[in-house]
Amino acid sequence: QSALTQPASVSGSPGQSITISCTGTSSDVGGYNYVSWYQQYPGKAPKLMIYAVSYRPSGVSNRFSGSKSGNTASLTISGLQAEDEADYYCTSYISSSTLDVVFGGGTKLTVL
Amino acid sequence: EVQLVESGGGLVQPGGSLRLSCAASGFTFSSYWMHWVRQAPGKGLVWVSRIKNDGSSTIYADSVKGRFTISRDNAKNTLSLQMNSLRDEDTALYYCVRNWGHHAFDIWGQGTVVTVSS
Repeated sequence: QSALTQPASVSGSPGQSITISCTGTSSDVGGYNYVSWYQQYPGKAPKLMIYAVSYRPSGVSNRFSGSKSGNTASLTISGLQAEDEADYYCTSYISSSTLDVVFGGGTKLTVL
Repeated sequence: EVQLVESGGGLVQPGGSLRLSCAASGFTFSSYWMHWVRQAPGKGLVWVSRIKNDGSSTIYADSVKGRFTISRDNAKNTLSLQMNSLRDEDTALYYCVRNWGHHAFDIWGQGTVVTVSS
């Protein structure tokens, strides 16, 4: 059961935009529009930031956006702020008899 | 307030058993699929198991299949995870999570820590 592939770390300066990629296969990311993104601060539970590839839950800043092309989904954060420094995880529904959802390995975002 | 509160974690020896519980409040528990997700110390999130809203279907990650059992009591608004034959690698913070729809997890508990060690 392979996790989705995310870069271990990304960084950016305040005000810049960054993009975090999430690469899977045609059985998960590429096959369904069920990609979600989560933000996690140290010692805290994750928070849903994006669902169904590109939709934001109520209350999530519009600086966060999601997209997908083929087997790769992306999370873009524009107008980077210090408070965005956190770990980010992607997930996807997966067509499998032994899995329901697969997580990415996580990406540490550092705001310089 | 919509809330999930886990309990039941602790220190257990390899080969031992533990039962985690998750108390749901503030929403119609019986309408939602529920999951367990775990996070080993310093590591990423890993999906563990899912149960449909009526308990009719369950599914498990290969790493826990045959050892863990997910269940729910909709009358008591409670989700459970029975963990048997525990291994060192099961050591983690276990989160109870609500599947909101679109296979997205919108509500997370605070987690309960399971430590497997001799």
